[in-house]
Amino acid sequence: DTGVSQNPRHKITKRGQNVTFRCDPISEHNRLYWYRQTLGQGPEFLTYFQNEAQLEKSRLLSDRFSAERPKGSFSTLEIQRTEQGDSAMYLCASSLEEGPTSYEQYFGPGTRLTVT
Amino acid sequence: AQTVTQSQPEMSVQEAETVTLSCTYDTSESDYYLFWYKQPPSRQMILVIRQEAYKQQNATENRFSVNFQKAAKSFSLKISDSQLGDAAMYFCAVNSGYALNFGKGTSLLVTP
Repeated sequence: DTGVSQNPRHKITKRGQNVTFRCDPISEHNRLYWYRQTLGQGPEFLTYFQNEAQLEKSRLLSDRFSAERPKGSFSTLEIQRTEQGDSAMYLCASSLEEGPTSYEQYFGPGTRLTVT
Repeated sequence: AQTVTQSQPEMSVQEAETVTLSCTYDTSESDYYLFWYKQPPSRQMILVIRQEAYKQQNATENRFSVNFQKAAKSFSLKISDSQLGDAAMYFCAVNSGYALNFGKGTSLLVTP
């Protein structure tokens, strides 16, 4: 069990460019979550997958954001036409589907995005 | 809407002493889970402890324990025998469905 991994760890991009982040959850975890964390704040929920199905999206997830989990394993989060306000840490988490620990989410190290 | 409030932006504790971090929340759910996460500087979030709202018994994990007051919607974290490695941001969280709602965090400084 290698834990949740995220790539890249850091991304610097110019305003208006598109970026894509990848998350690999813990192998037996069917649920996958994306959060955004800005400086001095706790993580804010963006979206949630159960297997390949995207079941919940926050109002924070604007039209410029899209997330996929095509085979129910890794997930990607794409931000189109980045804005300076998108600068944040993007966190991925995963959890089991069933059982008493299904609400426990395990986080990856995050991808820090800087939009210049 | 669900809110989670951590009223202490910063706390300090001496090594080997005990510290309590406060958290209050508001939820309309009758069944929910509460969590404390630790985020060391430049490192990932680590789950410290979990409490099911339907359980009256307070959760304990080694040096970490909670004081869960359901009626008051209070969920504090007690760290006993503090160690230098406990220095981190601590976040309280409550689930809303499968999403977690986090507080703004408390920065814990541990002094020798």
